[in-house]
Amino acid sequence: EAGVAQSPRYKIIEKRQSVAFWCNPISGHATLYWYQQILGQGPKLLIQFQNNGVVDDSQLPKDRFSAERLKGVDSTLKIQPAKLEDSAVYLCASSFAGKNEKLFFGSGTQLSVL
Amino acid sequence: AQSVAQPEDQVNVAEGNPLTVKCTYSVSGNPYLFWYVQYPNRGLQFLLKYITGDNLVKGSYGFEAEFNKSQTSFHLKKPSALVSDSALYFCAVRDASGGSYIPTFGRGTSLIVHP
Repeated sequence: EAGVAQSPRYKIIEKRQSVAFWCNPISGHATLYWYQQILGQGPKLLIQFQNNGVVDDSQLPKDRFSAERLKGVDSTLKIQPAKLEDSAVYLCASSFAGKNEKLFFGSGTQLSVL
Repeated sequence: AQSVAQPEDQVNVAEGNPLTVKCTYSVSGNPYLFWYVQYPNRGLQFLLKYITGDNLVKGSYGFEAEFNKSQTSFHLKKPSALVSDSALYFCAVRDASGGSYIPTFGRGTSLIVHP
């Protein structure tokens, strides 16, 4: 089966610029996650969607980060304006709805903010 | 609240020797526990999970993990390490009795297998 697709693979921007990441989950997966992975740390959840509804966005810096999942399939994560500390790998993951289901991760988008 | 601790930043082992990567967890109720592996410039890949039942769980690539409820641990093991096992390993936990579907990840352990 096709995996979780993410683009772009790399992005370099200057601080205060805007950036958007795209994710296409595995077909049929109702749950979609965006994680931020800073170098040397484990993935930190930013937002979780169940179909096209937000389940948890408590750790999303809402003053600069936004995410949507229109039609319950693809998702985009946006940062506006970016800060230096946003430099990280942004991972998208998807799973079936169950709590004991494993996550399938995309390869991630590596963001460098200069 | 749920949390995961991986006490070792790095584990070094010689090829052919057994390996152990440690993980301890904290949840309010019963845990769902997972191990993922991350190779350079790749996303995380699922290795194995514990939901219920047998405390010894077998997973991909010859890895296994032992759930110990009294010690709140879920250590990852392999009887004979390969150089190709060198990667980052992440332990994750979900609270089985809570309402959240969100897994919490540890900070990761770098496994280095020497030829």
